[in-house]
Amino acid sequence: ELKVEQNPLFLSMQEGKNYTIYCNYSTTSDRLYWYRQDPGKSLESLFVLLSNGAVKQEGRLMASLDTKARLSTLHITAAVHDLSATYFCAVDITRLAFGKGNQVVVIP
Amino acid sequence: DTAVSQTPKYLVTQMGNDKSIKCEQNLGHDTMYWYKQDSKKFLKIMFSYNNKELIINETVPNRFSPKSPDKAHLNLHINSLELGDSAVYFCASSLLQKNTEAFFGQGTRLTVV
Repeated sequence: ELKVEQNPLFLSMQEGKNYTIYCNYSTTSDRLYWYRQDPGKSLESLFVLLSNGAVKQEGRLMASLDTKARLSTLHITAAVHDLSATYFCAVDITRLAFGKGNQVVVIP
Repeated sequence: DTAVSQTPKYLVTQMGNDKSIKCEQNLGHDTMYWYKQDSKKFLKIMFSYNNKELIINETVPNRFSPKSPDKAHLNLHINSLELGDSAVYFCASSLLQKNTEAFFGQGTRLTVV
């Protein structure tokens, strides 16, 4: 059974500081997806990581993938309030198995 | 133009009723999904269709029946609704063989009373 674990499940961030959240998965997959969900809203695609060592950046967010370790990280640089959301990682496009999400709150 | 659209957005109904949620995508994708998001925000796949064929059918009560009349539509019919069915249901679509992400609809918040 494919398992996707994200941690920490909840993270309070101070504005201006850097943080990393983690996504581990249990079986081989060379595709990993990061999504953002705001309260009461749908899921918005952030990154698609397709190979070992893939790194993508968009604004203050940077995602990377290590397929050998079955680990993806989402790094937040100089957190701002607008980044408060729940971040989900997902693997395997056939079934898109999601982790439980990292709920991020950025406080002044 | 909305890429993946679901109707209705909100659905309040009594226990025991039968209801349907509709989903349509205009992205030309070949694969569509239904997900259930519970009160703890956990997203669980229910069904996946590729070119109108069922490819994933997770452990879901048989009161839930998906129907895909064509590649652009995937509807979800629920019989004999129970309190535990209350959740947000998301439809999504993707191109299975392409290395792109899945796109999600806005969700249907189902409340069973």
